Amino acid sequence: QQQVKQSPQSLIVQKGGISIINCAYENTAFDYFPWYQQFPGKGPALLIAIRPDVSEKKEGRFTISFNKSAKQFSLHIMDSQPGDSATYFCAAIFANNLFFGTGTRLTVIP
Amino acid sequence: NAGVTQTPKFQVLKTGQSMTLQCAQDMNHNSMYWYRQDPGMGLRLIYYSASEGTTDKGEVPNGYNVSRLNKREFSLRLESAAPSQTSVYFCASIGALWTSTDTQYFGPGTRLTVL
Repeated sequence: QQQVKQSPQSLIVQKGGISIINCAYENTAFDYFPWYQQFPGKGPALLIAIRPDVSEKKEGRFTISFNKSAKQFSLHIMDSQPGDSATYFCAAIFANNLFFGTGTRLTVIP
Repeated sequence: NAGVTQTPKFQVLKTGQSMTLQCAQDMNHNSMYWYRQDPGMGLRLIYYSASEGTTDKGEVPNGYNVSRLNKREFSLRLESAAPSQTSVYFCASIGALWTSTDTQYFGPGTRLTVL
């Protein structure tokens, strides 16, 4: 059973557009929600993360929005660039174990 | 400082063969993890080691064994490989907690095919 549900599976965005990836969870014991970026042939790398007592966190062009009551969180990539083309994973942490979503392959078209 | 290294990078096995995937980190991290990545499934935790001398099962431990040889090394063994174990395997290490955002690293992965 997937602990963290992620959508969409793939996403195509024009350069300069906004990319939005959504995740949902059921386990209210999760206490930390990171996002990872993975390029082909590489391991995942931490992009940005949020705690459940915060509704939004912004770092540069990347923003996490968190809705605790709905048990949903999302990643927004503003002014998307071709270099952002990668697979993005949301994740959630419980008991110091990291559970991943199924991933979203983002393609940014020049 | 090489971070997290994994060997081999690629491996092809026949059903029933055994092999060990090696992982090493040079950051003096306490916790190490093995994940497998399959299309449409994301990364799933196989085993982890919170500290030297301890190991625990993750979500998908069946068919695997692990050894935390010392603080640096954490190996994953397939005793009798099956086609269902065809996957990309990632090792990760963290300094203490996954919430310490500046001390977590994933290795480059091992791509395993079982025929």
